[in-house]
Amino acid sequence: QSVLTQPPSVSGAPGQRITISCTGSRSNIGIGYDVHWYQQIPGTTPKLLIYDNNNRPSGVPARFSGSRSGTSASLAITGLQAEDEADYFCQSYDSNLSGVVFGGGTRLTVL
Amino acid sequence: QVQLAESEGGVVQPGKSLRLSCAASGFILSGYGMVWVRQAPGKGPEWVALTSHDGTRKNYADSVKGRFNISRDNSKNEMYLQMNDLRAEDTAVYYCAKTYLKKCSGSSCLQSAFDHWGQGAPVTVSS
Repeated sequence: QSVLTQPPSVSGAPGQRITISCTGSRSNIGIGYDVHWYQQIPGTTPKLLIYDNNNRPSGVPARFSGSRSGTSASLAITGLQAEDEADYFCQSYDSNLSGVVFGGGTRLTVL
Repeated sequence: QVQLAESEGGVVQPGKSLRLSCAASGFILSGYGMVWVRQAPGKGPEWVALTSHDGTRKNYADSVKGRFNISRDNSKNEMYLQMNDLRAEDTAVYYCAKTYLKKCSGSSCLQSAFDHWGQGAPVTVSS
């Protein structure tokens, strides 16, 4: 069981908007620790998509955005494209574990 | 550009040891914290260990504490993971990655995003 909970799968048609949730607790997201998001196309290395809740590294399209509220965070993708089909993971820090924690991942299917 | 390259993994018997290395290029290694993250087949990533930019502070996941040791040689642009007393549950692809934050140490490093990852080294623990 991952400390951060994500839905196993989400899907959407090309051009649509989808969101992926990442639910934590008062020892991680809820206490204010930053959330980061990664994209992993199967068989490849994770790629940083969003850092510090809502910042995009250079080269990441503005279609990707992040937010954090209370004990949860969300990744939104607008204008869905076929190339967005991948696994998405959230990451934060947990004060009880004194370590880095990841979500179990969400598989995005573009219909 | 930034490149991280892990050494080859391998197949190891339970109870045995294996050492992974991570060669860094395209950035000043001494300026950044570095981590090892593993991913078992079909699972999400699991953080394993972190070393501060100068190697003076190290942090470990409870699952590997006392068995794994992270180290680095900034003069050689390399980082290492010595894995001892390996167990079947250690089977995974092991990635090295660098922190986004510069010169971080301790909890600040642990809160950082990881902005570049290596290609991964598969490790299988099996008799």
